[in-house]
Amino acid sequence: DAGVIQSPRHEVTEMGQEVTLRCKPISGHDYLFWYRQTMMRGLELLIYFNNNVPIDDSGMPEDRFSAKMPNASFSTLKIQPSEPRDSAVYFCASSWGSSGGMGETQYFGPGTRLLVL
Amino acid sequence: AQTVTQSQPEMSVQEAETVTLSCTYDTSENNYYLFWYKQPPSRQMILVIRQEAYKQQNATENRFSVNFQKAAKSFSLKISDSQLGDTAMYFCAFMKHGGAQKLVFGQGTRLTINP
Repeated sequence: DAGVIQSPRHEVTEMGQEVTLRCKPISGHDYLFWYRQTMMRGLELLIYFNNNVPIDDSGMPEDRFSAKMPNASFSTLKIQPSEPRDSAVYFCASSWGSSGGMGETQYFGPGTRLLVL
Repeated sequence: AQTVTQSQPEMSVQEAETVTLSCTYDTSENNYYLFWYKQPPSRQMILVIRQEAYKQQNATENRFSVNFQKAAKSFSLKISDSQLGDTAMYFCAFMKHGGAQKLVFGQGTRLTINP
């Protein structure tokens, strides 16, 4: 089983550039989550999807951030324009959750380390 | 809103010793789930153990066990016979039962196992 796949693993870009992070969840999982990890703020949930539909995007820091899930096997997190304070590790996670939310375990990808200069 | 607190930013023990990591949480919910995740230097987040709040029996996974005290809202992780490979950041996390699948993480404890 491949696990959650994220690309790229590392990204270095200049301020103002567009950044796109990609995620392939575990096959059969119906929840997908995007997290950001920084020293100052720890692990923060940015947005999550259920059956490809965004459920809660209250953690998205501002309009420069957007996320999509066009199908069950692919999601993107886009930052446009990027700023130095966006530098962080971005994790994607997926889980299988039955209706009513049974607290299914989230499996994390290896993360994308983003550095915005 | 739920909060998770890990009061030990760093811990260090010798190989083969037993170590306990603390976690407390604040919630008004009665049904919920608690997790411990491990993040080694590779930065991969790995599930260590999970506990359902409605279960009185403490969860165990090989050398890892928890002490779940629901009334005290405490969820500590015990690592027995610690190994060098246990060196990592450990995060305690909370998930409410029903509806949202949102994990709320503590700030983490950096554990170092010394040879």
